[in-house]
Amino acid sequence: DSGVTQTPKHLITATGQRVTLRCSPRSGDLSVYWYQQSLDQGLQFLIQYYNGEERAKGNILERFSAQQFPDLHSELNLSSLELGDSALYFCASSPGGVATNEKLFFGSGTQLSVL
Amino acid sequence: GEDVEQSLFLSVREGDSSVINCTYTDSSSTYLYWYKQEPGAGLQLLTYIFSNMDMKQDQRLTVLLNKKDKHLSLRIADTQTGDSAIYFCAESIGDYKLSFGAGTTVTVRA
Repeated sequence: DSGVTQTPKHLITATGQRVTLRCSPRSGDLSVYWYQQSLDQGLQFLIQYYNGEERAKGNILERFSAQQFPDLHSELNLSSLELGDSALYFCASSPGGVATNEKLFFGSGTQLSVL
Repeated sequence: GEDVEQSLFLSVREGDSSVINCTYTDSSSTYLYWYKQEPGAGLQLLTYIFSNMDMKQDQRLTVLLNKKDKHLSLRIADTQTGDSAIYFCAESIGDYKLSFGAGTTVTVRA
């Protein structure tokens, strides 16, 4: 158990809908990272938050947004869903950032299926 | 650029050594990592190497880094069935994120 909790584990929804994925980082970790894993794109970095502030942005679509709350949990919001958004979404956490070679601890992921 | 490349599949016989190769593009990467993903689970850090090192050994795992060619490899000695998984190579990009390869699916056959 990595200590990172993601909910829900599975999510099935329809095109055009909006969903929210939730992540609770390991106790004491200030950074949260979101990754998308799909068969054709591999593991893509979406966004990172550090202590409530956006720190880095990757290949995140404008239809997607995220935030980190004062209690350090994070939510990834996906809207106007398309079939191609079906993927496994991972959250990871670390004490600070990768600059200091901190290990990323990954949650088990949320499997999103858009029908 | 941020482009980490790996071969997609590797089949190895139990007891043999596995070698997974990876190439990366960012010469300023400070750290390079190997993560393992078992079915239904998240990624788990296996090992890492600092960019000024050539080799790192950790029990059955040996990481080799050729910085000139931007080539990273992971050798697993005495491969076991429990080593069947997807292995991801990753490089640190700037201060705040990791860029992952597509993953190499390792299948261990009896």
